Amino acid sequence: SAVISQKPSRDICQRGTSLTIQCQVDSQVTMMFWYRQQPGQSLTLIATANQGSEATYESGFVIDKFPISRPNLTFSTLTVSNMSPEDSSIYLCSVVTYTLNTEAFFGQGTRLTVV
Amino acid sequence: RKEVEQDPGPFNVPEGATVAFNCTYSNSASQSFFWYRQDCRKEPKLLMSVYSSGNEDGRFTAQLNRASQYISLLIRDSKLSDSATYLCVVRGNNDMRFGAGTRLTVKP
Repeated sequence: SAVISQKPSRDICQRGTSLTIQCQVDSQVTMMFWYRQQPGQSLTLIATANQGSEATYESGFVIDKFPISRPNLTFSTLTVSNMSPEDSSIYLCSVVTYTLNTEAFFGQGTRLTVV
Repeated sequence: RKEVEQDPGPFNVPEGATVAFNCTYSNSASQSFFWYRQDCRKEPKLLMSVYSSGNEDGRFTAQLNRASQYISLLIRDSKLSDSATYLCVVRGNNDMRFGAGTRLTVKP
């Protein structure tokens, strides 16, 4: 299994500012993902964080709005840029390994409120 | 069409009832399948993996039909503590896709 530390656990931010969320894993994993979960909704994949290269973004998400870094196998950051109230959501880091049938492990999530 | 589709419910059932959740996926190359449980204000956690031969874990039975691209979860003798949202999850080579989740409430 993998233990994930995600910080901050929550934040209240002013519109127009940016917030960087950190995800630290206790072991080397090969795939890291960032999800968003809006109130009452399921998880939506934002992007796959790739080590040492640009993240792979899903339709509807762009690098300028959600820049992602992954400098090594155990750490990644997601920045929510130029925030608006519509960005209020829970953001979740998730990791899996290349081994098939291995489940995804999740960080505790970051509850973001933009005012 | 969504890649993973679930009936969102909600399902409201009495204690002891049997309840079934269904899920379909669109990518025939998907490789692994899971059911996750998410409690309110918590992150999703693995309930069980789903294998081609079907698998059972206590009161929970999961089945996979690759030909129909269909996954199911059966909960027998439901408990109050089973109340949660159940997420169907499909893994490809490089991603994990979640269904919208089915909300279950078990009532006394």
